Amino acid sequence: SAVISQKPSRDICQRGTSLTIQCQVDSQVTMMFWYRQQPGQSLTLIATANQGSEATYESGFVIDKFPISRPNLTFSTLTVSNMSPEDSSIYLCSVQGSHYEQYFGPGTRLTVT
Amino acid sequence: DAKTTQPPSMDCAEGRAANLPCNHSTISGNEYVYWYRQIHSQGPQYIIHGLKNNETNEMASLIITEDRKSSTLILPHATLRDTAVYYCIVRVEGNKLVFGAGTILRVKS
Repeated sequence: SAVISQKPSRDICQRGTSLTIQCQVDSQVTMMFWYRQQPGQSLTLIATANQGSEATYESGFVIDKFPISRPNLTFSTLTVSNMSPEDSSIYLCSVQGSHYEQYFGPGTRLTVT
Repeated sequence: DAKTTQPPSMDCAEGRAANLPCNHSTISGNEYVYWYRQIHSQGPQYIIHGLKNNETNEMASLIITEDRKSSTLILPHATLRDTAVYYCIVRVEGNKLVFGAGTILRVKS
C-alpha cells in the first residue's frame, strides 16, 4: 500500500480567496484522484489526474474552479478557487494500487467564512 | 454502472463477528466488489476486494454468493476501533469509485 500525505490538514479561508492543497505519495503512481466530502455526506469524485495529461473532471466540476496539477508521479495539487461557504468540505486525494484498489490521504478540512 | 445497496446502520457487540451485507444484483461478470471503511474524520481505508471467490486478509473476509448478486464483509472479532462507515463498491469503467451512503457500523461494549 502507498503512504499519502496532504497539506494543509485544515484551513479556514475567506470567501473569494483560493487554496491549493498538496498531495504527496511515497511511491510512483500513475493514477491519482481528488474527492470532495461535504459535511455529513459521502465522497464525490472531482477529477482523475494522470501524470503527463490533463485532468479529467466529473460532471459538475470544472477546471476553472478546481484546477489540478500533476507535475510528476508522486505529487499533485488541487486548487479551490474563488471560494464560497459552499466549498467547505473535506478534500481527499487517493492513488490507485496494483489491483485497482485506492489508497487515500488523510484529507484537508476546509472551512470558508 | 452496477449499483450497491447496503443497510444504513448496524450494531455489533465487541468481540463478536460483524457481518455487513451488500446487494449488487446488476453486477457484470468482470466487475470486482471492493470494500472500504471510513473512521470518523479520517480518509477512507481499503479493506478487501474480490471477483467471485471468497477472500480473506488480515482485516476481514469477503463472501460473495455464487450468482455474485450479493456479498458479505465479515470482521471476525469486532473491536470498538472498527466503528466506522463501511462502503461496498463495484468498480466501474475508468477505475472510478462511486461511493454510496454506506453502512454505519457501531461496535458496542
